[in-house]
Amino acid sequence: KAGVTQTPRYLIKTRGQQVTLSCSPISGHRSVSWYQQTPGQGLQFLFEYFSETQRNKGNFPGRFSGRQFSNSRSEMNVSTLELGDSALYLCASSLLAGGGNNEQFFGPGTRLTVL
Amino acid sequence: DQQVKQNSPSLSVQEGRISILNCDYTNSMFDYFLWYKKYPAEGPTFLISISSIKDKNEDGRFTVFLNKSAKHLSLHIVPSQPGDSAVYFCAASRGYSSASKIIFGSGTRLSIRP
Repeated sequence: KAGVTQTPRYLIKTRGQQVTLSCSPISGHRSVSWYQQTPGQGLQFLFEYFSETQRNKGNFPGRFSGRQFSNSRSEMNVSTLELGDSALYLCASSLLAGGGNNEQFFGPGTRLTVL
Repeated sequence: DQQVKQNSPSLSVQEGRISILNCDYTNSMFDYFLWYKKYPAEGPTFLISISSIKDKNEDGRFTVFLNKSAKHLSLHIVPSQPGDSAVYFCAASRGYSSASKIIFGSGTRLSIRP
């Protein structure tokens, strides 16, 4: 069974631009969550989607948005990029919701650099 | 306000010895705790977990201990092997219904030296 895939793996953008990241979950998984990882900050929760519906959103500005398609694939968009948005963006899929012992499987991440 | 803290950014242990990674939390409502392991250029992978109703969970070379009164958990790896060199994230969860309830620590980089 293929794992979680994320595209692109690396991305360089300049301030003010926008970016779209893509995540394909494990086949059959309906829940997709997004995290931002920065040095010294661990993984910060961005969004959680289940069956095309955003169930939860983390404490991030409105420049960060996302969606999930009927095939469970998910996209995340960041508009008006700032230098502080440089981070590793991780996507995780799970069969059901990703809390507690509902194991999440992470993709390799997209490394975004904002210049 | 970091609810889950890993105060040691890095740890170096000799191969064959015990590695102990520590994690502290502040929210007494957490009822499920997880450890993830992350290699460079890969996403985190689930390692081991423990429910708040237990104080110990063991899986092969990995054991997690939970001290609820001290709001502290630790991961023991015995014996440490070169392949254990990675970043380890501690995480705590409130409830079972959402990824938004999982709070991650900042990670500890473990290096196993020969």
